[in-house]
Amino acid sequence: DAGVIQSPRHEVTEMGQEVTLRCKPISGHDYLFWYRQTMMRGLELLIYFNNNVPIDDSGMPEDRFSAKMPNASFSTLKIQPSEPRDSAVYFCASSLESLWVNTGELFFGEGSRLTVL
Amino acid sequence: KQEVTQIPAALSVPEGENLVLNCSFTDSAIYNLQWFRQDPGKGLTSLLLIQSSQREQTSGRLNASLDKSSGRSTLYIAASQPGDSATYLCAVCSSGTYKYIFGTGTRLKVLA
Repeated sequence: DAGVIQSPRHEVTEMGQEVTLRCKPISGHDYLFWYRQTMMRGLELLIYFNNNVPIDDSGMPEDRFSAKMPNASFSTLKIQPSEPRDSAVYFCASSLESLWVNTGELFFGEGSRLTVL
Repeated sequence: KQEVTQIPAALSVPEGENLVLNCSFTDSAIYNLQWFRQDPGKGLTSLLLIQSSQREQTSGRLNASLDKSSGRSTLYIAASQPGDSATYLCAVCSSGTYKYIFGTGTRLKVLA
C-alpha cells in the first residue's frame, strides 16, 4: 500500500489567501484524522471522520477552518482566510477499526508544511 | 479531558545505553496507547501499539509497557544506537471517543 498521501508537501501563501490541504487515506481505512503540529502546542487533533462522517470537530480552532470527506479516499482541510498564526505542519492520519480487525493503529502521512506570510 | 505528559522532554545518552521514556495520562479509560517516532521534518512512524487489555508489547530492541490503573506507559530502548536519535511521542486513545491525544514528546539524542 502507498500509505497516507498528503499534498502539497509545502505551501507558502500570503495572509488572507485560501489554503486547501489534501489527504488520501490508506485504502480500506474507516477513520481519518487531521492534526496540526507546532513547536508551542505540539500535536493537536483538529477533526476526525468515521466512514466519511465528521465525528468530532471540537479541535478546529475557528470558523476559518473547515474539513470535508466527500468519499472514502479523499479529504480536504481548508483555511479561509489564512493568517500567519496558522503556520504549522498539518498531518493527516488514518486507521482501521472494525469488529474483525481490532487494532486502531494510526498511520500518518508526511505532512503539509504551511507558511502564511 | 484526557491529558498526556511525557518526561523527560529531552534526553542525551552515550551509545549502548539502555534507556526508559515515560508517558503518563490522566484518564485510565483508554482503548489503546501507541508509541511513535518522528525524525526532523518527517511524519510519525508507529513503533508499538498496546491494547487496553495488554500489559506490554515488544519489537526488536523496543519494549513498551502499560499500567492503566496508574495511568502510565514506558518505552524501553535497549542498547541504544545513534540511529535511534529522534523524537518519541506517545498517543492515548480514550474509550468511547476514539480520539488520539498526543504527549509533547521526548527528544532523544544518542551520541556515538
